[in-house]
Formats: sequence, C-alpha cells, structure tokens
Amino acid sequence: GENVEQHPSTLSVQEGDSAVIKCTYSDSASNYFPWYKQELGKGPQLIIDIRSNVGEKKDQRIAVTLNKTAKHFSLHITETQPEDSAVYFCAAPLSWGKFQFGAGTQVVVTP
Amino acid sequence: NAGVTQTPKFRILKIGQSMTLQCTQDMNHNYMYWYRQDPGMGLKLIYYSVGAGITDKGEVPNGYNVSRSTTEDFPLRLELAAPSQTSVYFCASTRVNTEAFFGQGTRLTVV
Repeated sequence: GENVEQHPSTLSVQEGDSAVIKCTYSDSASNYFPWYKQELGKGPQLIIDIRSNVGEKKDQRIAVTLNKTAKHFSLHITETQPEDSAVYFCAAPLSWGKFQFGAGTQVVVTP
Repeated sequence: NAGVTQTPKFRILKIGQSMTLQCTQDMNHNYMYWYRQDPGMGLKLIYYSVGAGITDKGEVPNGYNVSRSTTEDFPLRLELAAPSQTSVYFCASTRVNTEAFFGQGTRLTVV
C-alpha cells in the first residue's frame, strides 16, 4: 500500500524566514497531493493542493512543488508569520477514495 | 453550508460504557472517514465509507463500529470504552481526489 513519509517532524523558524516541509510517497498512481494545516483545537484545513499534471502551484506566501519522478512533494512557506505556527500534514491518495496522511510537522515561528 | 458537523465536542466516559459519535455532512460527498488523533501524533484512519451502505476498516478499527445508512450520516460507535480510546476523533468527507473537509473534532476521555 501507500507509504507517505513527512519530514521534518518539527520545524522552528524565525519570523520572516522560509519554511520547507517535504513528503515522499510510494504509489506511482497518485495524482492529487494536498497539504493541510491544523491549528490548536481544530480540525485540519486544506491550504493548498496540486495535481500531477503541474509541477508547482502558488498561493500568496504558500507554494507546493511536485516531483513525480522522485515521488516527492514539498510545501514552501515564505516570509513566515506567527499565525503560520501550526501542524502541517501532507496526504496522498490510496485506492477506493482513501488517502494517507503524513505524520505531521509542527511549525513554530518565533519572533 | 454547514460542512461537516460532529457531536458532541467533548465527552467523558467511564470504562466499559458505550457511546456514539455523530457525524453529518451536507455537501453530498460520497466518501466519509473517521480518524483518531492522539496527543502530538498524526491522524490514524479508523473506518471509512465510499457510499451509503458501504463501510470498510482502516488501520485501527478494533473497538469501534460504523454504519452508513444515508449519504449524509456516518456515526462511530464505541462499545465497551477503554482508556486506550482516549483521543480526539475527527470525521471527514470528500469526493475522490479532492479536498477533504473535517469536522471540529470530538475530545473523548475514558476514565
């Protein structure tokens, strides 16, 4: 089955710096790659996603890049702000509508 | 649109008691999921459903049961609650290969 590995597990960045989180997957058939942000006490919410027919997608300070050959996709947050502090999860689809989440990355933005 | 609604938000159970966690969605999504999230950990799939009348086990189904009699509702049943079931439970729904919408979670403590 699918194996999604996410690194790092924790990431501490200075406000204004960039943060990068990487996920690798094993199923070549995967074609949809979302990133979710989970704030304390809340459910995960989609922040950006990418499909396999594109290599990069941007939304303001957030971008996702996909390398299908190497089977990895990354989340990039530029000019980090305190409100970016949260847990971030990647996900990759499995069969029958299932998807597997990465283990999560705790991002802490320090002033 | 209410999205995904979970009830209750909090619950304390005694060992051996039973309860049902309710989940309903108003987006006409075929796919629904139940996850548990232990403190500082990722999301583990308990059960999922690809449509009314169809359910299947995820990676941690023991001690739980589900039903899917309608597209909208996907209740999770805990029989004979155990301390190991202390966790935060999230319900989610989606269409295949699109954004998953999560409920706000149910924080369950078994004492």
